[in-house]
Amino acid sequence: GEDVEQSLFLSVREGDSSVINCTYTDSSSTYLYWYKQEPGAGLQLLTYIFSNMDMKQDQRLTVLLNKKDKHLSLRIADTQTGDSAIYFCAEFFPSNDYKLSFGAGTTVTVRA
Amino acid sequence: NAGVTQTPKFRVLKTGQSMTLLCAQDMNHEYMYWYRQDPGMGLRLIHYSVGEGTTAKGEVPDGYNVSRLKKQNFLLGLESAAPSQTSVYFCASSYELRGDGYTFGSGTRLTVV
Repeated sequence: GEDVEQSLFLSVREGDSSVINCTYTDSSSTYLYWYKQEPGAGLQLLTYIFSNMDMKQDQRLTVLLNKKDKHLSLRIADTQTGDSAIYFCAEFFPSNDYKLSFGAGTTVTVRA
Repeated sequence: NAGVTQTPKFRVLKTGQSMTLLCAQDMNHEYMYWYRQDPGMGLRLIHYSVGEGTTAKGEVPDGYNVSRLKKQNFLLGLESAAPSQTSVYFCASSYELRGDGYTFGSGTRLTVV
């Protein structure tokens, strides 16, 4: 299967940490990605993790991968109003003809 | 600025009308893609191309046709628009198949009435 699932909404207070979760079904995934979509714009790559890694940190972003549970998370530290956007999880795996499969997206709202 | 340009940005069609969405990239990318984005469903791949003169079906190809006559352009056609094709359409290009090389356009919002 190639389903990627995410919760649809997250509300977080400015300055707190945000955690966005994603589950996937295909264990042959090689790369997993987080994209950000701001209002009226296309998707931009935020970060990605290779399937042989457990964690990747990039400034305020931390990606955790639990391959056993097929669970991916994105933590945003010190969330700012500019982080309000839709965040998409995506997986890339050879059995899907090397194409990306996207989750439905999590809308993150940062409140003051 | 280098990137992916989609035209038009907005369009309203009547049921049964036809139209073509244009995607142009100036990054010399081999791979190009058309996605549709619907609320609660994420992005679904309509068609894609792995090089000039090639096209292939994605996840939801019915009702759409594509052409890639020039490397920099990828056209998405709707021959007879239906209300179910109301969506936001995104084009993307990449230098390789992996997702870290994707560049997305800003989207075309299409409404079919």
